[in-house]
Formats: sequence, structure tokens, C-alpha cells
Amino acid sequence: EVQLVESGGGLVQPGGSLRLSCEASGLSFSRFWMTWVRQAPGKGLEWVASIKHDGSETHYVDSVKGRFSIARDNAKNSLYLQMNSLRADDSALFYCASGDFGSALDFWGQGTQVTVS
Amino acid sequence: SFELTQPPSVSVSPGQTASITCSGDKLGTKYVCWYQLKPGQSPVLVIQQDTERPSGIPERFSGSNSGNTATLTISGTQTLDEADYYCQVWDSSTVVFGGGTRLSVL
Repeated sequence: EVQLVESGGGLVQPGGSLRLSCEASGLSFSRFWMTWVRQAPGKGLEWVASIKHDGSETHYVDSVKGRFSIARDNAKNSLYLQMNSLRADDSALFYCASGDFGSALDFWGQGTQVTVS
Repeated sequence: SFELTQPPSVSVSPGQTASITCSGDKLGTKYVCWYQLKPGQSPVLVIQQDTERPSGIPERFSGSNSGNTATLTISGTQTLDEADYYCQVWDSSTVVFGGGTRLSVL
């Protein structure tokens, strides 16, 4: 059974930093692209960032470029999202998801809540 | 940037057919996926590559994509299908979601 477990969320002041983690089990983690998606309160799903299976390629939504950094450690089956210069509008439930480039996001974690206030 | 447009809400009676549309420029040239999101739960992939149902998704869920519009169809809608539904594509190395459609079954 595939499991993605996010952690690292919490309450942080504007301008602060957080590092989210996502630990994967039950899938060949090093073979797949990984993605972070967020949902702000009362809003829809928003793609945040994606990273290639070997970490050699990353992509970000414009609103987080220069502030967020996606990374992975395939030896630990783990995905990360370093978030700096956080703003109130970054407050959201952050999900990690697996899925190949150009394909569906087929497995999702339960999410970790980030509140910037 | 590429945009996907969904109606904010759709209502259907139990047992009837629900259709949720997703529109975008030349959308038929891309693969569309659909996700179901219920309160307090994680998104669930219900349709991939326009028409394919992942393992475990009921047969009443189907999809199509042509021209500028993709459609998620739920036949014989059940009350447990009440949820928000999102379409999604990849465009130029980015993931794009539609704004979501709230399906009410009443």
C-alpha cells in the first residue's frame, strides 16, 4: 500500500520559514516525479512545485519562485519543501503527491497545515 | 499561462447523471485528469488520461475530452459522490488545476 506522510507544518509569523517533509512508503520513490499542492481555506487546489525523480529538474508556480525550494532524498524516500519569506496568503493545507511528469497525481498524502499569522 | 474553467457548482438528483465540464484552449490536445475532494480527506484520482478509471474507482465515473472541453460524467449518482471535483492538466512543465466544481446530490 502506498503511503505519503507529510509533516512540518505549523504556525509561523510573516517573513518566517518552515520546512515541510513527506515520507513515502510502498512505492519506488526514486522512479517518480513528486509534487507539492496546496489548498488555502475556502479555495481550490493550487500546484506549488514539482521535482524530477533524480532531483535534476524542478518547477515552481510563479507566486513562490525565489521563496520556496523543493528537494528530495531518494535514499530516505523523502520529499521536502523549504519555505522562506512566508506570507499570510501562503496559509494552506499542503499535500505531497506522486506521479510521473505529464501524468496524473495518483497518490496523495493527508496534508500538513501551514498558518502564517 | 494555461487556464482551466469549471462551473462553480452542479446539482443532481440521486440516481441521475451528473456532468461536470472543464474548458481550456485546445484542451483536447492534452491529457485531462479528474480528482474528487471531500471535506477532511485527501484528493482521490477518479479519471486519468481523459477516460481511464484507476483501480478501485466505480464504473459510474467516466470521462471524455475533445475540442476545448473535457467532461466528467457520473452515472447513477449516489449521495456519497457529493464532493468537490477538480480537473487537471500538465502544461509546459507546470501542473494546472481548474477552479473546482462542487457537486451537490439532492
